[in-house]
Amino acid sequence: GNSVTQMEGPVTLSEEAFLTINCTYTATGYPSLFWYVQYPGEGLQLLLKATKADDKGSNKGFEATYRKETTSFHLEKGSVQVSDSAVYFCALSDLPGNTPLAFGKGTRLSVIA
Amino acid sequence: KAGVTQTPRYLIKTRGQQVTLSCSPISGHRSVSWYQQTPGQGLQFLFEYFSETQRNKGNFPGRFSGRQFSNSRSEMNVSTLELGDSALYLCASSFGQGNSPLHFGNGTRLTVT
Repeated sequence: GNSVTQMEGPVTLSEEAFLTINCTYTATGYPSLFWYVQYPGEGLQLLLKATKADDKGSNKGFEATYRKETTSFHLEKGSVQVSDSAVYFCALSDLPGNTPLAFGKGTRLSVIA
Repeated sequence: KAGVTQTPRYLIKTRGQQVTLSCSPISGHRSVSWYQQTPGQGLQFLFEYFSETQRNKGNFPGRFSGRQFSNSRSEMNVSTLELGDSALYLCASSFGQGNSPLHFGNGTRLTVT
């Protein structure tokens, strides 16, 4: 079946540090991959996505590359800010309309000044 | 424009009862998806409705059902509540076609005692 595994948190970083949150997936076909973010007190929102192998999604300085050979979609940011403190979810979809079918359990990131 | 609205925000029910949750999507969105979020299982996909028809379904028992109205508003019903149904139930809407992103509501927190 379809599933997503992402690194357990929490992750605590100093401002301007490099961030990597690992995500690997299991899927029967060729899913679309997503990172969603939940800021404190807000609902989940799409951060970035990639719909086919070798695609790179990017937004707000975050990047993730769809690696079919390693079934991975790791999230990276070169220099985190305090405002990036949130919970990050990796997700996949092989459904019409790209409705996310499976989510990772979320990684809480805290960035300290 | 108004976001996805879920009502009520909080619910407390007793085992064996049934409950109905409501979701009003963003204007113009035709797809509504429902998710269950628990600390142990994370985010799990329940089902998706598109233009009043259930388009996709997750692996939940038949006690969990839903429907969508002609104005795209959706309701989710859980019958014969169990303690394990205590969770945050999230609704998300989108245009439902192509790569349109999902927009999540803030959820309904259901507690079953």
